[in-house]
Amino acid sequence: QKEVEQNSGPLSVPEGAIASLNCTYSDRGSQSFFWYRQYSGKSPELIMSIYSNGDKEDGRFTAQLNKASQYVSLLIRDSQPSDSATYLCAVLGSNYKLTFGKGTLLTVNP
Amino acid sequence: EPEVTQTPSHQVTQMGQEVILRCVPISNHLYFYWYRQILGQKVEFLVSFYNNEISEKSEIFDDQFSVERPDGSNFTLKIRSTKLEDSAMYFCASSEGLEQYFGPGTRLTVT
Repeated sequence: QKEVEQNSGPLSVPEGAIASLNCTYSDRGSQSFFWYRQYSGKSPELIMSIYSNGDKEDGRFTAQLNKASQYVSLLIRDSQPSDSATYLCAVLGSNYKLTFGKGTLLTVNP
Repeated sequence: EPEVTQTPSHQVTQMGQEVILRCVPISNHLYFYWYRQILGQKVEFLVSFYNNEISEKSEIFDDQFSVERPDGSNFTLKIRSTKLEDSAMYFCASSEGLEQYFGPGTRLTVT
């Protein structure tokens, strides 16, 4: 059973701080990784994808991948109250099946 | 910006009834998916669909479930003989490549 693990939180950061979200996965052969944001009662919204080791930056978001350690992270710089949501880590498997973690609840305090 | 749409937004049905959840994927996407999320739990893969056939299905996707692309725009999930434990949010997603975009979901309540 392929697993994706996340700290469920809640993670609480002050406005303007850096939020750091972490994820580990069990399938060493995985190649494609995604971060989704899910507001309460809403659907997952894709915010980042990463396929190679290292960092990938998009605006205030940076995704980091370390395949040797089977570790993916998401950094949110200059956190805003509107970033308060559950962040889902997802790993792509065979036949385009996404396996999700349980998500980390982030709260950004004004 | 193109988006996945789903209807209805909320469906209430009695145990044992059949329901059909409808999705319109993003128009140039070729891969389609259904996921579900039971309240408070993780998003779970149900099925992936490409070239008019199922690519992969999870152990959740048993004979009670079926998918269909009845025309060039719609993608449906049929649940036969619904059970109480089928109550969940059902999300349709589509992709052109690796990145999957989700619709707003249908909340299914089985009473």
